[in-house]
Amino acid sequence: AQRVTQPEKLLSVFKGAPVELKCNYSYSGSPELFWYVQYSRQRLQLLLRHISRESIKGFTADLNKGETSFHLKKPFAQEEDSAMYYCALQHRHGGSQGNLIFGKGTKLSVKP
Amino acid sequence: NAGVTQTPKFRILKIGQSMTLQCAQDMNHNYMYWYRQDPGMGLKLIYYSVGAGITDKGEVPNGYNVSRSTTEDFPLRLELAAPSQTSVYFCASSYSKDYRYEQYFGPGTRLTVT
Repeated sequence: AQRVTQPEKLLSVFKGAPVELKCNYSYSGSPELFWYVQYSRQRLQLLLRHISRESIKGFTADLNKGETSFHLKKPFAQEEDSAMYYCALQHRHGGSQGNLIFGKGTKLSVKP
Repeated sequence: NAGVTQTPKFRILKIGQSMTLQCAQDMNHNYMYWYRQDPGMGLKLIYYSVGAGITDKGEVPNGYNVSRSTTEDFPLRLELAAPSQTSVYFCASSYSKDYRYEQYFGPGTRLTVT
C-alpha cells in the first residue's frame, strides 16, 4: 500500500543548528515526492518537489530510492522556519494519477 | 487573484444536521480536491474532480457528497453529520495532475459536530 511516514511529531532545534525532517515512503514504482509547509495562520503551500532538485529558503531534499526516504534538510535553521511540514507522495499512474498522499506532519520549532 | 477560498471558516453542527462547505477558485484550474485533516493526522483525500461535471471518490468519501457544475466551484455536502466528521476541511486546486503543477490550498474550514 502507498504510504508516507514522518516519524517525528515535533522537532525542536536552536537557531543556527542543522535540521533534518525525516520522511519515508512506500510506493510501487517511481514516486513523485513533495514537501508542503504551513506557517502559523497561513495556508498549506508547496515548499519543494524532488524532481526539481531545487533549494527553497535554504531547504533541500534528496530522494533516496534505496532507503525509500525523502528527508528535508537545512544546514542552519532560522526562527522563521518554525512551521508544520508535510511530506507528500503523488500518484503517477492510473485513475488516481495526480492525487497526493500526505504524511502526518512534523512540527518544527526553532528556538532563539 | 483570491486563489482558493473556502466558507465558512468555522462551524458547529449538531448530530444529524446537514451542511455544505463552499470552495471556489479563480485560477481556471481543472482539478479540485477536498481533504480532511483530523488532529495529529495527515490530510486525507475525500473527493476530487478533474473538471466540471466529473467527480470521483478519494480515500475517505463515506458521509460526503460533491458536485462540480462549474470550473470555479466545488462544494462538499455533509448529510447527517456525525461526531466522526469533526475535522478541518481543506479544498485545493491545480491546473493539471502532472507533477509539475502544484496544488493550491484554501485556508480551511474547522467543523465540530456535537
